Amino acid sequence: GENVEQHPSTLSVQEGDSAVIKCTYSDSASNYFPWYKQELGKGPQLIIDIRSNVGEKKDQRIAVTLNKTAKHFSLHITETQPEDSAVYFCAATPYGQNFVFGPGTRLSVLP
Amino acid sequence: DGGITQSPKYLFRKEGQNVTLSCEQNLNHDAMYWYRQDPGQGLRLIYYSQIVNDFQKGDIAEGYSVSREKKESFPLTVTSAQKNPTAFYLCASSIFFGEGRTYEQYFGPGTRLTVT
Repeated sequence: GENVEQHPSTLSVQEGDSAVIKCTYSDSASNYFPWYKQELGKGPQLIIDIRSNVGEKKDQRIAVTLNKTAKHFSLHITETQPEDSAVYFCAATPYGQNFVFGPGTRLSVLP
Repeated sequence: DGGITQSPKYLFRKEGQNVTLSCEQNLNHDAMYWYRQDPGQGLRLIYYSQIVNDFQKGDIAEGYSVSREKKESFPLTVTSAQKNPTAFYLCASSIFFGEGRTYEQYFGPGTRLTVT
């Protein structure tokens, strides 16, 4: 079955800097890769996703890149703000199968 | 105001008691899911349901039970057989679940269950 690793487990950046979180997956059949943001005590919120037919997707300050050959995908946050502080989860799944989530990355944006 | 609601936000129970967590959605989604979240770990799938009156076990179904009598509702019962029930429980839904395409999952606010 699918296995998803996520690095780093914690990340601290200065406000205004960029943050990058990387996930690797094991199942070459996986073709949907969402990213979720979870604030303390709340449910995860879908912030961006990418399907295997594209290599990059952007939405304002966030972007996701996918390297299918190497089986990894990354979340990029530019111009970080204190409200970006949260735990971020990646997931991977082949079509029609259940999501497999990474263990999460705790991002702290320091003012 | 569309979305997924979970109640209560916090729940306390004594060991040996069954407890039922509520999940309701008004998004008209066919599929619903229950996940468990423990500190420092990713989300693990407990049960999922693709349509009314049908559900399947996820990766950690032992000690849990569900029902899906209505499209909008997918309650989860944590039974006394669950050895470590204290956790944060998350309900999610998606338009559909099946072969050929993966649909986005949207999560509720969660219920934190503490069993002592």
